[in-house]
Amino acid sequence: AQSVTQLGSHVSVSEGALVLLRCNYSSSVPPYLFWYVQYPNQGLQLLLKYTTGATLVKGINGFEAEFKKSETSFHLTKPSAHMSDAAEYFCAVSDQAAGNKLTFGGGTRVLVKP
Amino acid sequence: EPEVTQTPSHQVTQMGQEVILRCVPISNHLYFYWYRQILGQKVEFLVSFYNNEISEKSEIFDDQFSVERPDGSNFTLKIRSTKLEDSAMYFCASSDLAGGPYIQYFGAGTRLSVL
Repeated sequence: AQSVTQLGSHVSVSEGALVLLRCNYSSSVPPYLFWYVQYPNQGLQLLLKYTTGATLVKGINGFEAEFKKSETSFHLTKPSAHMSDAAEYFCAVSDQAAGNKLTFGGGTRVLVKP
Repeated sequence: EPEVTQTPSHQVTQMGQEVILRCVPISNHLYFYWYRQILGQKVEFLVSFYNNEISEKSEIFDDQFSVERPDGSNFTLKIRSTKLEDSAMYFCASSDLAGGPYIQYFGAGTRLSVL
């Protein structure tokens, strides 16, 4: 079975500082990995994905993530936080052998301080 | 931009009552999903649906749950006899083949409160 662990349920960063959200996964097959963002009272919006190919993937709003197979990690970064980045972020892995269901991590809520 | 629409945004019901949560997936999508998130817990997969049948379901999706695509646009989740522990945010998602069946687009969710 697949699993996802997000280290830190809450992260506080200053505006302009680096954002680093950690995600580790467990999968018996080559994983498809995703980061989703949820703004208050909204649905889950896809930030970026890794399927195959280049291990550094860029997403919307200046975010990027790097797939590291040896570390089973897919950490999300943004060089400079903006107030609008305050949201909850979810890492997920897709199980292609099981109806493409997504298994989510517990989420990390990001607070951006002025 | 096309989006997944869910109604209602908030549903309050009494324990033991039936509820139907409604979703309108993106129009050309072929794969449909329901997830739920109990307050303070992870988003959990419930069921996936393709070609008018369930393709995968979790252990949460027991006989009290059912899904249906009654027409060409709606996708519903029915809970036959709600329990207190069914209180959660329910998310609908859809995906197509062009983007790969693994890229799921989510609705804003329906918050179900069982009293």
